[in-house]
Amino acid sequence: DIQMTQSPSSLSASVGDRVTITCRASQGISNYLAWFQQKPGKAPKSLIYAASSLQSGVPSKFSGSGSGTDFTLTISSLQPEDFATYYCQQYNTYPLTFGQGTRLEIK
Amino acid sequence: QVQLQESGPGLVKPSETLSLTCTVSGGSISSYYWSWIRQPPGEGLEWIGSIYYSGSTNYNPSLKSRVTISVDTSKNQFSLKLSSVTAADTAVYYCAGGFTIFGVATLDYWGQGTLVTVSS
Repeated sequence: DIQMTQSPSSLSASVGDRVTITCRASQGISNYLAWFQQKPGKAPKSLIYAASSLQSGVPSKFSGSGSGTDFTLTISSLQPEDFATYYCQQYNTYPLTFGQGTRLEIK
Repeated sequence: QVQLQESGPGLVKPSETLSLTCTVSGGSISSYYWSWIRQPPGEGLEWIGSIYYSGSTNYNPSLKSRVTISVDTSKNQFSLKLSSVTAADTAVYYCAGGFTIFGVATLDYWGQGTLVTVSS
């Protein structure tokens, strides 16, 4: 199985800040990586696919980059609604695997 | 816009079979790949398995011996059965739909999730 490791596991930031979350795959996955946002009690929401492509309707404050084994999600100008847990997920091969999540909290 | 809705019992007894159905609206079940994912309380996401409308399936090896995913194109539904459940199977179960990259499913659309508790 491909292991996905996110860092940090939790992150405190202020409204207006820019933050970056990293995701590392245990082996190369090309650009077959997605990012999800999950708020408490809600289903995950797909933000980014193919490492850097925004899903329809997702604001451009979210951006992704990377290829191979190392990926990043950057969120600029944080707003209260952005505080949530973020997951990366690879779809290069089965079984599909997720990172452990990064909890973004308000400082 | 594709929408998904999970349905099924919220309480299952240990050793019994968990059965859930996902109803798809706003799109044809023949156009996408379909998946089940679960999330134990306070924990991360675990992929259970995926199916194409043709019936072709892929399962998580950690659950493969207990999982069956099927599709009913006439009802625009797909289903999950997980046998011999224990308390460790207590989780929110999500259905999801997406496209395929060389036969591997993506997870673009998600249902709201349904909590299944395993308890006597």
